Amino acid sequence: QQQVKQSPQSLIVQKGGISIINCAYENTAFDYFPWYQQFPGKGPALLIAIRPDVSEKKEGRFTISFNKSAKQFSLHIMDSQPGDSATYFCAASRDTGGFKTIFGAGTRLFVKA
Amino acid sequence: DAGVIQSPRHEVTEMGQEVTLRCKPISGHNSLFWYRQTMMRGLELLIYFNNNVPIDDSGMPEDRFSAKMPNASFSTLKIQPSEPRDSAVYFCASNRGVTGELFFGEGSRLTVL
Repeated sequence: QQQVKQSPQSLIVQKGGISIINCAYENTAFDYFPWYQQFPGKGPALLIAIRPDVSEKKEGRFTISFNKSAKQFSLHIMDSQPGDSATYFCAASRDTGGFKTIFGAGTRLFVKA
Repeated sequence: DAGVIQSPRHEVTEMGQEVTLRCKPISGHNSLFWYRQTMMRGLELLIYFNNNVPIDDSGMPEDRFSAKMPNASFSTLKIQPSEPRDSAVYFCASNRGVTGELFFGEGSRLTVL
């Protein structure tokens, strides 16, 4: 499958700190870049998403930074909270008669109280 | 509103048995996706449908796997015969075709002994 590479695999952050997760993609045809959050025993749920014509998108404490020329994007979680402890997936998607979506390997975030 | 509904939530079976996983997408959504999640391989796209038609099944691991979508409100993923390496959580997701957001069910955890 067309790859989306995600790092780090796991991340431990102090409460109030900044969590940063990075992703890189290969196929320039992708035109929608979402981040999903998954809690144990649940399915992933959309957290925030960006399109390649925008370099940054912010929603509350969550920000996506997008670098089209480098084919990289990242998620920043400001003022990280214990409730943010979850697995985060970046993904890349394109509308090919349905939005085919490829996921990164995931990052397990633990926020220490 | 009801989300994506998957059944069964848990299935334990013996090697060689047939397994059928079921999914009811959100009403009005026109795309349906089957993903498999394991620790080793993350979230893998198996197959997706648009307007009940299979669009891309390149992620289906082998002929033992098959998927159908006989109508807009129901899909099945069948494994026959099952093997221990098929043990995973299988997710169904749907999309309404306007944005790339996927809505996931809570998954079916399959254990093949």
